Amino acid sequence: QSVLSQPPSASGTPGQRVTISCSGSSSNIGNNYVYWYQQLPGTAPKLLIYTNNLRPSGVPDRFSGSKSGTSASLAISGLRSEDEADYYCAAWDDSLRGGVFGTGTKVTVV
Amino acid sequence: EVHLVESGGGWVQPGGSLRLSCAASGFTFSLYGMSWVRQAPGKGLEWVAISYGSGHDTFYADSVKGRFTISRDNSKNTLYLQMNSLRAEDTAIYYCAKDGRCTNGVCYTVDLDSWGQGTLVTVSS
Repeated sequence: QSVLSQPPSASGTPGQRVTISCSGSSSNIGNNYVYWYQQLPGTAPKLLIYTNNLRPSGVPDRFSGSKSGTSASLAISGLRSEDEADYYCAAWDDSLRGGVFGTGTKVTVV
Repeated sequence: EVHLVESGGGWVQPGGSLRLSCAASGFTFSLYGMSWVRQAPGKGLEWVAISYGSGHDTFYADSVKGRFTISRDNSKNTLYLQMNSLRAEDTAIYYCAKDGRCTNGVCYTVDLDSWGQGTLVTVSS
């Protein structure tokens, strides 16, 4: 069972803003950077946000990340049909001495 | 362009062993941390292990500690995962992934900026 909790699903209509939460603890999110990954159906994950709120080259600015205390959030603004995917947060855990992923959130564009 | 290609997956009986390989190209392999991440069928991502540049610093998930060994051959630009005492719950797609920004020592991050296509491991009798 993952130590980072995410809602199992989120949805929105095209153009809407969707926010995904990621809840952790002081040993992971509270003391380390948060990363976000997008996994389209049948493909390998892709880095979406690094170091809490930075976007790799090529990631649209519709995607933004934030962190406060032991929680983090990923926001998708101007939702598009191609944003339908699974999204995972991740962080290092000092107690486990290893990386941990969130439980994952499936985003649906209705 | 970074290119990661996993191989070595397949079917194995419980208690058996398998060695995965990840051939890397397009970057200075010896500088970067390299990780294994797995995904059971229909399930989420699970971090497995990481090997930092020199190969001396390694970390493992509790679920595989003592059974799996991550290693690397920097002269061959290849990452390995030796998997022993395999269990049904190890059945998954195994991805290798490159660290995004850690090029000097150990960085306690899950910053994976390039991924391979994955190799499927099935543990079943």
